[in-house]
Amino acid sequence: AQSVTQPDIHITVSEGASLELRCNYSYGATPYLFWYVQSPGQGLQLLLKYFSGDTLVQGIKGFEAEFKRSQSSFNLRKPSVHWSDAAEYFCAVDVTGFQKLVFGTGTRLLVSP
Amino acid sequence: NAGVTQTPKFRVLKTGQSMTLLCAQDMNHEYMYWYRQDPGMGLRLIHYSVGEGTTAKGEVPDGYNVSRLKKQNFLLGLESAAPSQTSVYFCASSYPWNEQFFGPGTRLTVL
Repeated sequence: AQSVTQPDIHITVSEGASLELRCNYSYGATPYLFWYVQSPGQGLQLLLKYFSGDTLVQGIKGFEAEFKRSQSSFNLRKPSVHWSDAAEYFCAVDVTGFQKLVFGTGTRLLVSP
Repeated sequence: NAGVTQTPKFRVLKTGQSMTLLCAQDMNHEYMYWYRQDPGMGLRLIHYSVGEGTTAKGEVPDGYNVSRLKKQNFLLGLESAAPSQTSVYFCASSYPWNEQFFGPGTRLTVL
């Protein structure tokens, strides 16, 4: 079955440390790929997206993600985490081109002082 | 611009009652979507619309109906609410081939 997997339910990172959130998908073709962030009690905000071209994409708030076709992965990274980055992060894919997104189950990021 | 707004923010229903959730967007987006978010399951697409007067089923459409009579509005209806429909509902909108903008959500509890 087609799916999006975020294997880490929770991750705790010290402020100033680097961060990598994992995302894997299982689709035959290369989908369109997205990372969204959700702060408590809020809607989702787009961090970055990959449609084609350069496999390393830059997003807002200092985040970047790398698409690796051989690993069917689209991992999110940030070199230095800030306390305000504490939130839930969702990876999503669109295989139809109509923005019918399939979301992963999310990774909750906790930032320790 | 208000972006995407949702009405109401909170609602408690009894089993069997009906209600309508309203989503409005002021960005002139063609596409609109309704999702539900449940703990440990991420967001799942209920219904979506690619233009005024058109709707289509998403991943979990059972028990819900939608209408898009005006381009800026997308209504989600529950005809006979069930406890399994307790969830947080998010509306989103987008231009074709572009990012989705999400509303703040509606927290619905069905007793």
